[in-house]
Amino acid sequence: GQNIDQPTEMTATEGAIVQINCTYQTSGFNGLFWYQQHAGEAPTFLSYNVLDGLEEKGRFSSFLSRSKGYSYLLLKELQMKDSASYLCAVKSLWGGGYNKLIFGAGTRLAVHP
Amino acid sequence: KAGVTQTPRYLIKTRGQQVTLSCSPISGHRSVSWYQQTPGQGLQFLFEYFSETQRNKGNFPGRFSGRQFSNSRSEMNVSTLELGDSALYLCASSLVGSYSTDTQYFGPGTRLTVL
Repeated sequence: GQNIDQPTEMTATEGAIVQINCTYQTSGFNGLFWYQQHAGEAPTFLSYNVLDGLEEKGRFSSFLSRSKGYSYLLLKELQMKDSASYLCAVKSLWGGGYNKLIFGAGTRLAVHP
Repeated sequence: KAGVTQTPRYLIKTRGQQVTLSCSPISGHRSVSWYQQTPGQGLQFLFEYFSETQRNKGNFPGRFSGRQFSNSRSEMNVSTLELGDSALYLCASSLVGSYSTDTQYFGPGTRLTVL
């Protein structure tokens, strides 16, 4: 079957670095997305990884290891506005060219002063 | 470019009623997917529409239905509402959808409360 695991909650201090992990089990892996969702708002796209390695975008970086079924989102120089839920989503290729997108339950990050 | 828009933003209904939610995708996007988000279940896929055709469907009862118009706008309907249908309903648009790896962009959602 398909499964995505990420921690339910994390806390961190303003200015610090935090790493949010995501492990997945799927066949036909075809990419991994990270989204940020503030309470009561829409998820917003952060990053996409399909090849192994680190993708950096400003304060946010995302890493993927396909052999380990593992990704992480790294947030540097944390700001209060980074308090949000972070969703890991995996695309897997099924028959007929169809890609199924499965979301993890999300990690709620609280940033404290 | 305008983002994905959803109307209404909030709805309160009673059990047994039906509801219609609307989603306008980003201009040029032809795929619209609908999700239900609840605290306990996270984001659950409802269905995807592309070129006015339902392309994929999640594990939801037949009370949940949808359609897509020629301008790619989509509506979702829930009939005979149950208390458990209370959730945030999100729509997401993408260029060509599930037969590619393109990114989905979400609308702000419709918060449905069933009393």
